[in-house]
Amino acid sequence: EIVLTQSPGTLSLSPGERATLSCRASQSVSSSKLAWYQQKPGQAPRLLIYGASSRATGIPDRFSGSGSGTDFTLTISRLEPEDFAVYYCQQYGSSPRTFGQGTKVEIK
Amino acid sequence: QVQLQESGPGLVKPSETLSLTCTVSGGSISSYFWNWIRQPPGKGLEWIGYIYYSGSTNYNPSLKSRVTISVDTSKNQFSLNLISVTAADTAVYYCAGLAVGGPFDPWGQGTLVTVSS
Repeated sequence: EIVLTQSPGTLSLSPGERATLSCRASQSVSSSKLAWYQQKPGQAPRLLIYGASSRATGIPDRFSGSGSGTDFTLTISRLEPEDFAVYYCQQYGSSPRTFGQGTKVEIK
Repeated sequence: QVQLQESGPGLVKPSETLSLTCTVSGGSISSYFWNWIRQPPGKGLEWIGYIYYSGSTNYNPSLKSRVTISVDTSKNQFSLNLISVTAADTAVYYCAGLAVGGPFDPWGQGTLVTVSS
């Protein structure tokens, strides 16, 4: 099973700042099959990024993903008020599909 | 677009069976692999397993001995049965679709199931 470790656990930033979230895998993620989801309280996760760097339909271009192998990054170029949430990475290259433990982006 | 809706009891007694159903609307049940994912209160996400419309399944080894996922193509529904539940199975349960080799998308809104006597 691939273990995904996200860092930091919490990121305290102000609107307009840049957010950089990390996801490290215990072994190489096949074909960069790495996704990022955003979850707000009381809501289901929403797909942001798939294939490590492709934005899902309707996702603003301030969200970008990068990385390959075992190291992946989600960047939010300028935080909007609606971006404060929990973010999860998830690999779908091998079974069982696994999630990271999440990074909370909170308002400073 | 495809929409998913979970339904089932919100309270289950310890040692009993948790049963949930997900109804698929706005698309064909043959288009995706259909998944169950859960999230204990305040914690992260855990994939439970999936089923294809043909009936083929794949389960998380951590739950495999207690899980059955089934599909009813005539009703555009798929279901989760989790036997011998304990308080550790208390969670929000989500159903989600995935295309071949793709991420989880779309998702249902989730339903909270509490295991308590």
